Amino acid sequence: SAVISQKPSRDICQRGTSLTIQCQVDSQVTMMFWYRQQPGQSLTLIATANQGSEATYESGFVIDKFPISRPNLTFSTLTVSNMSPEDSSIYLCSVGLAGYEQYFGPGTRLTVT
Amino acid sequence: KQEVTQIPAALSVPEGENLVLNCSFTDSAIYNLQWFRQDPGKGLTSLLLIQSSQREQTSGRLNASLDKSSGRSTLYIAASQPGDSATYLCATHKAAGNKLTFGGGTRVLVKP
Repeated sequence: SAVISQKPSRDICQRGTSLTIQCQVDSQVTMMFWYRQQPGQSLTLIATANQGSEATYESGFVIDKFPISRPNLTFSTLTVSNMSPEDSSIYLCSVGLAGYEQYFGPGTRLTVT
Repeated sequence: KQEVTQIPAALSVPEGENLVLNCSFTDSAIYNLQWFRQDPGKGLTSLLLIQSSQREQTSGRLNASLDKSSGRSTLYIAASQPGDSATYLCATHKAAGNKLTFGGGTRVLVKP
């Protein structure tokens, strides 16, 4: 398994501002992902964070809105830019380990007012 | 495009009763299937991972079965307890290292 931490655990932000979420893993991992969970909904993949190269974004998500960094094999950041109330969600990072079992961080609960 | 469905969306049972949670998927060409638990406002806890070549996996009171040909998985929780109250999510991997596709989840309430 893996121990994953995220910062901040929650935040309340104003419309038009940006928030950067950090994800730290206790071991080196190749695969790291960012998901969004809107209120009352299931999880949707935003992007795959690739170490040393640009992230791979899913349909409906763009780099200008959700820039991602992956400077090494234990750390990644997701920025939610120019926020609107529709961005209010839980943002989760996950890692894929042996057998491609995925483990998730505790999530960051974002409220945009 | 893979679609994962969980029915029912919510379930309420008295303590001690066995829980049966259903997951169906449209594309049987999966690499594996994973069951998660999510407590309100929290992240996901991995419960069981079933590889595509397996029929079932067991961990304590939990047992998950997989029938790829019919596109179904079932999570059984024996002798439910109030602490089992949570949302249970299933998710499939299309290919090795690929993204997970999640079902909508089943919200479970176990009443004392």
